Amino acid sequence: DAGVIQSPRHEVTEMGQEVTLRCKPISGHNSLFWYRQTMMRGLELLIYFNNNVPIDDSGMPEDRFSAKMPNASFSTLKIQPSEPRDSAVYFCASSLGAGGRRNEQFFGPGTRLTVL
Amino acid sequence: AQTVTQSQPEMSVQEAETVTLSCTYDTSESNYYLFWYKQPPSRQMILVIRQEAYKQQNATENRFSVNFQKAAKSFSLKISDSQLGDTAMYFCAFLPLWDGTASKLTFGTGTRLQVTL
Repeated sequence: DAGVIQSPRHEVTEMGQEVTLRCKPISGHNSLFWYRQTMMRGLELLIYFNNNVPIDDSGMPEDRFSAKMPNASFSTLKIQPSEPRDSAVYFCASSLGAGGRRNEQFFGPGTRLTVL
Repeated sequence: AQTVTQSQPEMSVQEAETVTLSCTYDTSESNYYLFWYKQPPSRQMILVIRQEAYKQQNATENRFSVNFQKAAKSFSLKISDSQLGDTAMYFCAFLPLWDGTASKLTFGTGTRLQVTL
């Protein structure tokens, strides 16, 4: 299995631009998670989906952030407009889903976002 | 809500020595997992070891072992025979186990481990 795939691995953009981060979960996994990692706040859960449905988006910082999961094999995290304080590493993770060991999450390599 | 506390921001150990990283947590959940993740400079989050709360036996994975004290809500990681490749940030994480739905990980703030010659 290829593991969780994220693209791009690095993104540099200017303030005000739209940024789209992409994630392909492990095949067969029903749950998908978006995390943000910064020096100041550590690892934070932004949103997670179960069977393509958003379950908890309480970690999404503000309306500039949106996430979608149109199908079981693809999710996007969009920031519009981007700001310098959005600079961070964004991780996507997936798990089989509910129940016991099935909740274990596998992480993608992350996308390092820099907003100038 | 759960909280995970790692009180050691940085630690250093000499190669081949043993080091213990501390983690405490607070929860009202009765069924959960605990994890230690390693994050090397490559940024990849690598699962090191897991512990099911209902198991009394401490988990072991090669040179990595945990000391799980459920009553004290403590979950420390011991690295034996430390290697230069163990240099990384280590995160303790808590995962409640809910029937029928996915649950979310809560991470500690991390401990930066430096292995020296």
